[in-house]
Amino acid sequence: QVHLVQSGSEVKKPGSSVKVSCKASGGTFTSYTIIWVRQAPGQGLEWVGGIIPLLGITKYAQNFQGRVTITADRSTGTAYMELSSLRSDDTAVYYCVRDRRDGSTLFYMDVWGKGTTVTVPS
Amino acid sequence: SSELTQDPAVSVALGQTVRITCQGDSLRAYYASWYQQKPGQAPILVIYNKNDRPSGIPDRFSGSSSGNTASLTITGAQAEDEADYYCSSRDSSGDHPVFGGGTSLTVL
Repeated sequence: QVHLVQSGSEVKKPGSSVKVSCKASGGTFTSYTIIWVRQAPGQGLEWVGGIIPLLGITKYAQNFQGRVTITADRSTGTAYMELSSLRSDDTAVYYCVRDRRDGSTLFYMDVWGKGTTVTVPS
Repeated sequence: SSELTQDPAVSVALGQTVRITCQGDSLRAYYASWYQQKPGQAPILVIYNKNDRPSGIPDRFSGSSSGNTASLTITGAQAEDEADYYCSSRDSSGDHPVFGGGTSLTVL
């Protein structure tokens, strides 16, 4: 059974960058899509972007275009999300998630990492 | 539109049945999935593919869908079911997930 193990909490200065890692244990994620979802304090869930490690294809949410880069190292089974030009409103918990697809109409997110808290003091 | 609408808060008496709904045009094209999130924890998948439950999810959780509305029903709600519940579907191209705003469930 796959588990997604994320790196630890980060405190960053405004304008800096953060890189969060997500390592798959107990299985491989290569053939799936790994996405990043963030949750600001007291708020809902927001898709940031994702990658298909097998193909190296990435997609990013419009809100983060130009600031986010998602990569994957197939040799170590690790995905990364780097967010640059950090602002105070980037303070959130960032989750890596396995995004499953079965056919053209069935999608679901079945494995979630525990989350990485990124804090950007104002 | 890819927006999904949920009631912000719902309450249920212990042992009673509660339905949490999710509305959006994308639900006409894509199955909804439902996620439970307890304070300080990551969300977990509770329902997908109309009415499938991952291993370990109690059978008091069920899902249904009609038109642009998906529902999560908890039959015989327990104290441990108190949590936030999020529905999810896809954007119009199926490219990425979209989420409802979440429903906070209180078990009285």
